[in-house]
Amino acid sequence: KAGVTQTPRYLIKTRGQQVTLSCSPISGHRSVSWYQQTPGQGLQFLFEYFSETQRNKGNFPGRFSGRQFSNSRSEMNVSTLELGDSALYLCASSLASVIYGYTFGSGTRLTVV
Amino acid sequence: AQKITQTQPGMFVQEKEAVTLDCTYDTSDPSYGLFWYKQPSSGEMIFLIYQGSYDQQNATEGRYSLNFQKARKSANLVISASQLGDSAMYFCAMREGQGFGNEKLTFGTGTRLTIIP
Repeated sequence: KAGVTQTPRYLIKTRGQQVTLSCSPISGHRSVSWYQQTPGQGLQFLFEYFSETQRNKGNFPGRFSGRQFSNSRSEMNVSTLELGDSALYLCASSLASVIYGYTFGSGTRLTVV
Repeated sequence: AQKITQTQPGMFVQEKEAVTLDCTYDTSDPSYGLFWYKQPSSGEMIFLIYQGSYDQQNATEGRYSLNFQKARKSANLVISASQLGDSAMYFCAMREGQGFGNEKLTFGTGTRLTIIP
């Protein structure tokens, strides 16, 4: 079966712009989570959606937002980009909960210049 | 305090040898889960093994086993008979609580494993 698909794989944006990243979970998975990975901060939890509702949120500014659609696909948006937002953004999905772990996508590498 | 601590930033291991990657954790929740993920240079996080806090036996998955010492709050990953393809970053992660409604993993800083031919 198809894995978690993230698009685009690479993205270059300018400071002040906004960006939207997309994640298609494994078919049947209803929980989608997003993580940011940087060399300085490591892997940090952004938010998690289940059945179109945000169920949990990490400690990130309001510039980071997300949503989930009825088909479980999810998008995350970052507005007013800063240089520090340059990172690998990973999406992960699970059937219903993280109790046995997630399946991750390959990530979107965002570079802000 | 760090919830997940991986004290080995990098390790070099000869091919076919066994390797142990260290992980200690900190939680006051009696219910938790511990995970190991592998991240090759491509970026994707690959799930390797899971251990629940109430599991009586250490988890095993093929060449991977988890040495779970609950009293010491340690969850070390053991890779037997290492292969060149095992070269990657390895992350230990923890889920606190039952999972429902607290859907997140806390990750350690990772260990970069390099297998030498």
